[in-house]
Formats: sequence, C-alpha cells, structure tokens
Amino acid sequence: RKEVEQDPGPFNVPEGATVAFNCTYSNSASQSFFWYRQDCRKEPKLLMSVYSSGNEDGRFTAQLNRASQYISLLIRDSKLSDSATYLCVANAGGTSYGKLTFGQGTILTVHP
Amino acid sequence: GAVVSQHPSRVICKSGTSVKIECRSLDFQATTMFWYRQFPKQSLMLMATSNEGSKATYEQGVEKDKFLINHASLTLSTLTVTSAHPEDSSFYICSASLVGDTQYFGPGTRLTVL
Repeated sequence: RKEVEQDPGPFNVPEGATVAFNCTYSNSASQSFFWYRQDCRKEPKLLMSVYSSGNEDGRFTAQLNRASQYISLLIRDSKLSDSATYLCVANAGGTSYGKLTFGQGTILTVHP
Repeated sequence: GAVVSQHPSRVICKSGTSVKIECRSLDFQATTMFWYRQFPKQSLMLMATSNEGSKATYEQGVEKDKFLINHASLTLSTLTVTSAHPEDSSFYICSASLVGDTQYFGPGTRLTVL
C-alpha cells in the first residue's frame, strides 16, 4: 500500500464547478499535511498547509480527519487557471520529521 | 513565499559524464535541504536529505556514490550525478524549509542523458 494515496482522476470540470479531491495516508505518525499544485513541467507550489482539522483560503478548503487518516481538498467556483496536478503530501513524522511523502497526484482540467 | 533557485534549469549530456546541480536558498538560511526526483507521469520521490556541515541521508535504493550531495553552506546544496546514464534522465528538484516543515521547491532541473 502506498503511504499517500489520492483519487486517480483525472477530473474534467466546467468553470464554476465545485470539485473535491480525497487523499488517505498510512503513516499514523504524520503530523502535518499539505496540498501542492504542480503545473506541467514545473515545480510544486504550496497551496495549503493542514495542521489541525482543516484550513480555508478563499475558494480552497482542506479538511483533515486524523481518525480516518484522510485529507480532502475542496475547490469552489473553479477557474481555468486551476487546471493542474494536485499533490497530497504528508510529513513523515517521528524521527523522520521533515521528510515529505507525495501522493501520485490528481490531474484537474477546468474547461470553459 | 521563500525563494529557492536551481541551476541549471536544463542539461543535456552524454552518457558517462557527471552533472552538477546547484540549489540555493536566496533569502533565507536552510540547514536542511531535500533532493527529489520525478519521472514522467510519476510523483516526486525523495532521494536524500542534505544537512549543512554533515553527510547527507539517502533514501533506500538511492546510491550515495552515484548521487553525491554537498551542503557546504547554509544557502547552497549541490547534487552531482556521477557517470550519468540514460536511465538517470529525470526532473531533479530541491527544496528547503523556511519555517517549520513547510518546504519550498526550486524550479527544478531537467536532465537528459543521451
């Protein structure tokens, strides 16, 4: 089983739609989580950090359920510029604190 | 966010040559930097953790004699791919932490070995 697993995608949604991505992690020692977005042939860019039960930033809402070891990302009112690959990331925790484990990514395409 | 740079952004080399990639934190000091590799259509895989003033910590399956890491100062870490072969062709990305465990990534280096 992969340490961080994401929805396989891809997601194709129209502008203005609401889309949700799910992610599960297997390392119970993980303390912090992140959502990054990665555009084609570019480096990942931090979208949100998730430390407690959740975080909201404008159209983006992340939620964390430690009991279920589950993280989600909700994007409201999708824009064409939201098209990217979204990476769910967990901090390894414990003695490996600082090491990030990436999910395989979910591709989102927002069309007019 | 914090700025991390990488150089070169792209390199094409012949099989058997060595390639050095630099990672710099431009506006902060980073005692720890990380090196990742990303193959097409795959996610990032951590290769090693680079610690300023000490030896790097390599992930399982990553050959330390092939991927030499030097973290000589608080703003510079280098990755040298020695005797590169076509299977080493990949997107190499470094990252550094500014505060806590949030990591900021460099723009990446695309290595193509012919």
